[in-house]
Parts: sequence; C-alpha cells; structure tokens
Amino acid sequence: QQQVKQSPQSLIVQKGGISIINCAYENTAFDYFPWYQQFPGKGPALLIAIRPDVSEKKEGRFTISFNKSAKQFSLHIMDSQPGDSATYFCAASMGGTYKYIFGTGTRLKVLA
Amino acid sequence: GAVVSQHPSWVICKSGTSVKIECRSLDFQATTMFWYRQFPKQSLMLMATSNEGSKATYEQGVEKDKFLINHASLTLSTLTVTSAHPEDSSFYICSARVPGTSFYEQYFGPGTRLTVT
Repeated sequence: QQQVKQSPQSLIVQKGGISIINCAYENTAFDYFPWYQQFPGKGPALLIAIRPDVSEKKEGRFTISFNKSAKQFSLHIMDSQPGDSATYFCAASMGGTYKYIFGTGTRLKVLA
Repeated sequence: GAVVSQHPSWVICKSGTSVKIECRSLDFQATTMFWYRQFPKQSLMLMATSNEGSKATYEQGVEKDKFLINHASLTLSTLTVTSAHPEDSSFYICSARVPGTSFYEQYFGPGTRLTVT
C-alpha cells in the first residue's frame, strides 16, 4: 500500500513531441505528489508538484494531471527537447511524515 | 534559493574503513533532512530521516549502527558509513525540507558516489 507504481520504464519521443509518464498509488493518505528530474550522476531536481484538491497544474512545458478517484497522476512534457532526456521520478508523501515514496523511474530519451 | 550541497561528491575507501558524507543547506535552515540510497538505474530508497537535535529515524531494514546519522546543526547533517564493505557501494543522496514554503517540498543535494574496494 506504500508503493507508487510508475510507467513506462523507458520512453523514446521525437523532438517536439509530448512525453507522458504515469504513476498510480494505493494509499489514500498521500496528499502531495511531486515530480523530479534526474540527470546521470546528479541529484534529483524538483520539477512540479500537485495536491489532491487540484486536477491539473501547469508550469511552462510541464503539466501534472491528477485523477483522485482513480488514484493516478501523470506528467506531460510538451514540446519535448533533447535536453529533457533524463530519468523522471514521481513521488508521494503524506501529511505529518514528510517522507517521500518514489516511483521506479522513467528513462526518457528525446531524439533530435 | 533552496540549495543543498554534499561533500564529497565521490569517495573511494577500503573495505573495513569508515567514511563520512556531509549534507549542507546553503541558504536556509533545515530542521529535517533525509538520506537516500540509489543503486544504478534504480529508484531512490529512503534510509533515514534526520531531525536537528534529535536521533535519526531509520527505515525498516536499515542498520542503525552501520549508517550513523548526526544532525548537529540546522544546516548540517552527516552520514557515516561504518566498517564499509563493497555492498555498501552506492550513490547516497540527501535532501532537506524547506520550512516556510510548500509544506512538503524537498530539495536534493547532488549526491555522493561511494565505492568500497
């Protein structure tokens, strides 16, 4: 029940295309869902985050869609660029603990 | 703002020795820091939660005596891997919770690559 399932494991997208990464959770106590981007040998960088009272949040080319009833959320990267090639992790956190449960990661490659 | 640094960025040590990794919040005071471990091409696994001025809280399966955590100040937490063995080789990453902002936001350090020979 503490798991966050992430798919796909890897993704190849053409430059200018839309990258979509999905995550699902079971624990309804989770109330904060961030997405992180990680380049090889580097620490994760916060991209965007959402709370369950919002169905969508957009920041630049990054959009989170959140479906509370389905317990799913997804990251959309619009106009994907080769510089977006990285590993993306979703995570979930619940009030009071501040701890993150990370998804398994998605390796995105954007072809030039 | 919200910059977290780690030192060293990589370290090689011999089996049986101990190594200390530092995590610093550079432009904010972090009452809570977290330590993660990441194996190649895998996800981040939370090892422990470090609270300033109190004992760390370890996740199930993490050896407290092997991974010593000290959060002695509001800007510094340290992870000491004691009696390191090759299986401890990994990428160790810390994060810090930023107080006064979105309640749950965590910012990560650049990580420390530990290789035990």
